[in-house]
Amino acid sequence: ETGVTQSPTHLIKTRGQQVTLRCSSQSGHNTVSWYQQALGQGPQFIFQYYREEENGRGNFPPRFSGLQFPNYSSELNVNALELDDSALYLCASSFAVEQFFGPGTRLTVL
Amino acid sequence: GEDVEQSLFLSVREGDSSVINCTYTDSSSTYLYWYKQEPGAGLQLLTYIFSNMDMKQDQRLTVLLNKKDKHLSLRIADTQTGDSAIYFCAVRGGTESNTDKLIFGTGTRLQVFP
Repeated sequence: ETGVTQSPTHLIKTRGQQVTLRCSSQSGHNTVSWYQQALGQGPQFIFQYYREEENGRGNFPPRFSGLQFPNYSSELNVNALELDDSALYLCASSFAVEQFFGPGTRLTVL
Repeated sequence: GEDVEQSLFLSVREGDSSVINCTYTDSSSTYLYWYKQEPGAGLQLLTYIFSNMDMKQDQRLTVLLNKKDKHLSLRIADTQTGDSAIYFCAVRGGTESNTDKLIFGTGTRLQVFP
């Protein structure tokens, strides 16, 4: 157990809808990163938050947005869902070198 | 851009050693990691190595880094059926050093048979 939790576990949405995924970081970790893992692929970096500010972004469109709260928990929001957004969404919390991942949220877009 | 490559499959007999290989393109990568993912689960951090090291050992795991060839390997001694999973190599740092984003390979599926 890493101490990183994510909710919900599974989610089914239809094209065009919006979704919010949540992540609680490990105690003492001030950095949260979000990754998208498509089936059969390695995780792809979406963005990272450090002390409530975005601190780096991968090659994802602006309809992927996020927030980090004062307690370092985080949200990932995706607007105008597309079929290709179906994936496992992973969050990772870190303080220094090690990044610890949560169990993920499986998003299915129909 | 940065790229990380791994072979897709590895099959070994229980009790043998497994060696999973990874190559990467960004020579300025600072830390290199190995993660394990079991079906339907998140990623478990196994170990990591700093780029100025050649080797790191942690119980049954040995990581070797050849920085000249940009080659990383993970050796699992006395492989058990519980080691069956997908193993991801990931690298950090490089040109965007203000973020600790990880670049992952596509994963190597390790199958251990009795």
